[in-house]
Amino acid sequence: GNSVTQMEGPVTLSEEAFLTINCTYTATGYPSLFWYVQYPGEGLQLLLKATKADDKGSNKGFEATYRKETTSFHLEKGSVQVSDSAVYFCALSEAPRGQNFVFGPGTRLSVLP
Amino acid sequence: NAGVTQTPKFRILKIGQSMTLQCAQDMNHNYMYWYRQDPGMGLKLIYYSVGAGITDKGEVPNGYNVSRSTTEDFPLRLELAAPSQTSVYFCASSYSGQLSGNTIYFGEGSWLTVV
Repeated sequence: GNSVTQMEGPVTLSEEAFLTINCTYTATGYPSLFWYVQYPGEGLQLLLKATKADDKGSNKGFEATYRKETTSFHLEKGSVQVSDSAVYFCALSEAPRGQNFVFGPGTRLSVLP
Repeated sequence: NAGVTQTPKFRILKIGQSMTLQCAQDMNHNYMYWYRQDPGMGLKLIYYSVGAGITDKGEVPNGYNVSRSTTEDFPLRLELAAPSQTSVYFCASSYSGQLSGNTIYFGEGSWLTVV
């Protein structure tokens, strides 16, 4: 079946450091890929997504590129801020079976001032 | 834009009590989901629905029931609450057709404690 693997956390960085959170997936078809973010005490919010190979999703300074050859969708940000402290979830879905959303376990990021 | 609305936000239950978590979406999404998130863990799918009148079990359905009488509403019922059901519950919805890239939208969560 489909699965998503993320790097284990927690990840602790200083403000303005470069961020990479690795995500790899296993899928039987051609999934769409997502990054969701969960701030403390809140629900998950869509951060960015990519729907086909070589697409780059970007939002709020974060970006991730859909790499079919390496089945990866790594999340990057050039300069993190304290406000980026949250849990980040990589996910995939395969249309048209919309119920087939698979989430990774999440990676907790803490950014220190 | 209401999106996905869950109630209540917080609830304390005694062992053996029952309750219903309400969920409504106003985006005309056909798919709806219930997840639970235990402290420091990822999401586990409890039940999902692909449309009104249709529900299916997810990864962890035991101790729960759902119904989908309308497109908008997807309540989750806990029967005979147990401490193991202490968790944060998230309702979510998505539109799934023949196009790829469908996004799943989450409610703000319901914090449930069983004592």
